[in-house]
Amino acid sequence: NAGVTQTPKFQVLKTGQSMTLQCAQDMNHEYMSWYRQDPGMGLRLIHYSVGAGITDQGEVPNGYNVSRSTTEDFPLRLLSAAPSQTSVYFCASRERYGYTFGSGTRLTVV
Amino acid sequence: AQSVAQPEDQVNVAEGNPLTVKCTYSVSGNPYLFWYVQYPNRGLQFLLKYITGDNLVKGSYGFEAEFNKSQTSFHLKKPSALVSDSALYFCAVRVLLSGNTPLVFGKGTRLSVIA
Repeated sequence: NAGVTQTPKFQVLKTGQSMTLQCAQDMNHEYMSWYRQDPGMGLRLIHYSVGAGITDQGEVPNGYNVSRSTTEDFPLRLLSAAPSQTSVYFCASRERYGYTFGSGTRLTVV
Repeated sequence: AQSVAQPEDQVNVAEGNPLTVKCTYSVSGNPYLFWYVQYPNRGLQFLLKYITGDNLVKGSYGFEAEFNKSQTSFHLKKPSALVSDSALYFCAVRVLLSGNTPLVFGKGTRLSVIA
């Protein structure tokens, strides 16, 4: 039982490049979400999904796209990276009350 | 809208002394409250949660928290701090209403335990 797996762990992008952060869970959780963590800001919700085919925006969705084709996977796409997207990104899945977080992706946009 | 406040950016405590990391919340409805810890360059680790029932919740690594509805607080406590407790601590809240409500985090409190 791997829980929530995020790849890659580290990434450096140039401004304007695109990339996809991967998130997979093996707990059959319907709810999955993406957060970004910035110093002094805590964790802020980017997007979430309540099941395959259903996604919605969180607090800071601009510049990010998501899709949910399967229960297991919830990728986060940056279409044109900007320095303001330099952050640590966490994926989380949820059962009724408990959340499981991935180990994070540290993204630097130069 | 729900929100969480962690009024202290930094808490310093001597090893062996009791520690408290403060958290207050604002919600419309009954809150589900969580504490997470983050060690340097690591992900979030679950410490404890309050859903319902006993206001005193015991969690991992000897930590506990008390839900106080009248003061809308959920302070994290430990009777005797260890140097290894030094980390970043996050309080989070969710309200269970119709539809899906998000888990909202505080800005975090950095705990430093000094030997």
